[in-house]
Amino acid sequence: DGGITQSPKYLFRKEGQNVTLSCEQNLNHDAMYWYRQDPGQGLRLIYYSQIVNDFQKGDIAEGYSVSREKKESFPLTVTSAQKNPTAFYLCASSTLPGSEQFFGPGTRLTVL
Amino acid sequence: GESVGLHLPTLSVQEGDNSIINCAYSNSASDYFIWYKQESGKGPQFIIDIRSNMDKRQGQRVTVLLNKTVKHLSLQIAATQPGDSAVYFCAEIFKAAGNKLTFGGGTRVLVKP
Repeated sequence: DGGITQSPKYLFRKEGQNVTLSCEQNLNHDAMYWYRQDPGQGLRLIYYSQIVNDFQKGDIAEGYSVSREKKESFPLTVTSAQKNPTAFYLCASSTLPGSEQFFGPGTRLTVL
Repeated sequence: GESVGLHLPTLSVQEGDNSIINCAYSNSASDYFIWYKQESGKGPQFIIDIRSNMDKRQGQRVTVLLNKTVKHLSLQIAATQPGDSAVYFCAEIFKAAGNKLTFGGGTRVLVKP
């Protein structure tokens, strides 16, 4: 089955620790995205990548980092510099930048 | 920055009735608009899209209307079913801004049996 997978579904971390969220897609999509969603709110773009080995900051990139070494993978690291990291994180991909985005199931991160 | 949509309001609708979800966008140069449905604890799912050179597009039980004059987008759901209960987001794409998708705050739809 083709799709986007995110792992883990729930993640807990202690304050001050870095944590990496996984996002893998087998749709052969060039573009991948990370969004953050807070309760009762819309999606805010953290980072996006239009092609392998290239990525750009979104609207709320501070405290986050990404890499795009492989077309199918776009991991997001939430660093200790992110002041309020508890949120629902969504990964998406699209065939081309600006086309329909397909979303993964999300990872709910809770900082204790 | 440019903004799309409304903060999360709630629309209660009786099962079988039609639903209309509205979205106001601020970037008159946006090229493409998408409606997504998000069920609790899940990622958004594509419902329907429309390009800026169109006024209307129909899908299965859904219709999207685009009024560029007043920068308004709406999603109509015919014969609303319990499975339609979710949060609905509109999103816009402005190609000159790197093709990023900008989401609105969403509308929660609650279907009453």
